[in-house]
Amino acid sequence: GENVEQHPSTLSVQEGDSAVIKCTYSDSASNYFPWYKQELGKRPQLIIDIRSNVGEKKDQRIAVTLNKTAKHFSLHITETQPEDSAVYFCAAQTLWGKLQFGAGTQVVVTP
Amino acid sequence: EAGVAQSPRYKIIEKRQSVAFWCNPISGHATLYWYQQILGQGPKLLIQFQNNGVVDDSQLPKDRFSAERLKGVDSTLKIQPAKLEDSAVYLCASSSNPGQGEKLFFGSGTQLSVL
Repeated sequence: GENVEQHPSTLSVQEGDSAVIKCTYSDSASNYFPWYKQELGKRPQLIIDIRSNVGEKKDQRIAVTLNKTAKHFSLHITETQPEDSAVYFCAAQTLWGKLQFGAGTQVVVTP
Repeated sequence: EAGVAQSPRYKIIEKRQSVAFWCNPISGHATLYWYQQILGQGPKLLIQFQNNGVVDDSQLPKDRFSAERLKGVDSTLKIQPAKLEDSAVYLCASSSNPGQGEKLFFGSGTQLSVL
């Protein structure tokens, strides 16, 4: 079955710096890779996603990259702000819709 | 558009008791998921339904957990008997066509504490 590895588990950055979170997946049939942001006590919120036929996608300060050959995908947050502090999860979805999550990255943005 | 509805919001039980959670997905969403999220961990898929059929339940502890979606709309997840390690948030999610990359919508979750 699909296995999603996520690194690092915690990430502390200064406000204005960039944050990068990396994930790998095992199932080559995975075709959709969403990223979720979860604040304490709340449900996961989709922030950006990428499909397997695309190598890169950007939305304002957030970008995702996908390397299908290496089965790697990454989240990049530029010009980080205190409100970016949260837990971020990567996920990989197979053709039949099974969505598996990584273990999460606690991002702390210090002013 | 109404979101994914879950109840109850919180539940506290003693070990060995039974508990049930309810989920009503977004109207028209054929796929429904139950996830277990233990504090400090990522959501773990317990079961995935397509209409009233089970697509994947490989990570569902079937000796104590059961789930059903009899009419292909709302769903219940039951734990009987509960153990201390079942303390977690149980998230329900739905999607219209996940195999084509359609996003999942999550409910607010049910926070279960087993004492």
